[in-house]
Parts: sequence; structure tokens; C-alpha cells
Amino acid sequence: LAKTTQPISMDSYEGQEVNITCSHNNIATNDYITWYQQFPSQGPRFIIQGYKTKVTNEVASLFIPADRKSSTLSLPRVSLSDTAVYYCLVEKGGGNKLTFGTGTQLKVEL
Amino acid sequence: NAGVTQTPKFQVLKTGQSMTLQCAQDMNHEYMSWYRQDPGMGLRLIHYSVGAGITDQGEVPNGYNVSRSTTEDFPLRLLSAAPSQTSVYFCASSYSTASGTYEQYFGPGTRLTVT
Repeated sequence: LAKTTQPISMDSYEGQEVNITCSHNNIATNDYITWYQQFPSQGPRFIIQGYKTKVTNEVASLFIPADRKSSTLSLPRVSLSDTAVYYCLVEKGGGNKLTFGTGTQLKVEL
Repeated sequence: NAGVTQTPKFQVLKTGQSMTLQCAQDMNHEYMSWYRQDPGMGLRLIHYSVGAGITDQGEVPNGYNVSRSTTEDFPLRLLSAAPSQTSVYFCASSYSTASGTYEQYFGPGTRLTVT
């Protein structure tokens, strides 16, 4: 499984855009990039998944360059409720086993 | 639609005791998994199942057993509890999307303390 590297923590203020970058140098051809969000005392929650270029949904965007060795999760106009740990995972296409790193602790302040 | 449910929410065991953590899902998902999360760490896969009657080991399977007799239920058994098994346990279920990827749904977790 491809290993991922992401910042341990990030701070932001309400209303700002937050970009969390993840590197995955050993990503394989059939791997997908997935991001999960986890609040304290809760299970992780799926945010977004992509294979290449850009994916957007109602909560986030995911940017993946052509070489796919990194990806960036973009959260537009964050609020206090976005304070959480964000995990970047590389998921094998057709597989079901997730490998979580330590994630990025995002803290949003007023 | 309750999603993924786990019981109990909290449990305290003495070393050597055994118990079963319950997990159920009502989304008819084929795939189910058990993870543990230690303080300040990411989740680690214990066991998983790709369908009723089929289970396999994950990253940290020692000390745990699973079975999958129905699509809905995936219990995790601790055979002889040890302090090293103090952790938060999450159950997840997932389905295969049209693109062949998976979206996992996690339960609320069971916080286990072994003394």
C-alpha cells in the first residue's frame, strides 16, 4: 500500500480557504486517493475521492496533478465546525482495506 | 436507516476476560471491517470481511476473532483481554461504487479499557 505524508497540524480562521496537501510518491496505477474527516469521539467520515485532475462535491475539492504523486484537499470558507482530523489515504481500486496515517489536525479559530 | 451501529459504547474488562463487540449495518453492504484507534494515532485494520462467510486478517489481527454469518452482522471477539487492547474500536461497512471504488461508513465506536 502506498504510504502517505501530510502535515501534522494546520491552523486557520473562519471564512478562509484551507488547502491540505498529501504526498504519495509510490501510488500505483489503480490506486485512488480518498480523504476522510474525523471529529473527536466519532468514526471517520468520507469526504471525497478522486483518481486524477479535479473532483468537487458539496463540501470540498480534490486536486490531483498529472503525476498523481500528491493531492490537495481544498475546503472553501471553513468554519469552526470544520475543526477535525483529516486523513489522506491511497486506496487500491477494487480493494476494501484502508491504511490510515496520523492525519492532519485542522484547527479553525474565529 | 440506522447505518452502522456498535454496542456497547463503553466497556471495562479485566485482564484475561473475553467479550464480543457487536457491529450491525442495515445498508446491505457486502464489505465490513474492524479497526482500532489508539490515542493520537490513525486507525489500524484488525479484520475484514468481503461477504457472509468470508473473513480475512488485517494489519493487527492477533488476539481477535471475527465471523460473518449474515450480511448485517460482524462481531469482534476478544479472546483474552490484555491492557494493550485498550483502544477505541470502529466498525465500518462499505459498498463498491460504479467506478469500482469504495466508500466506507463508520460506526460511532466502542471505547474499551482493559485493566
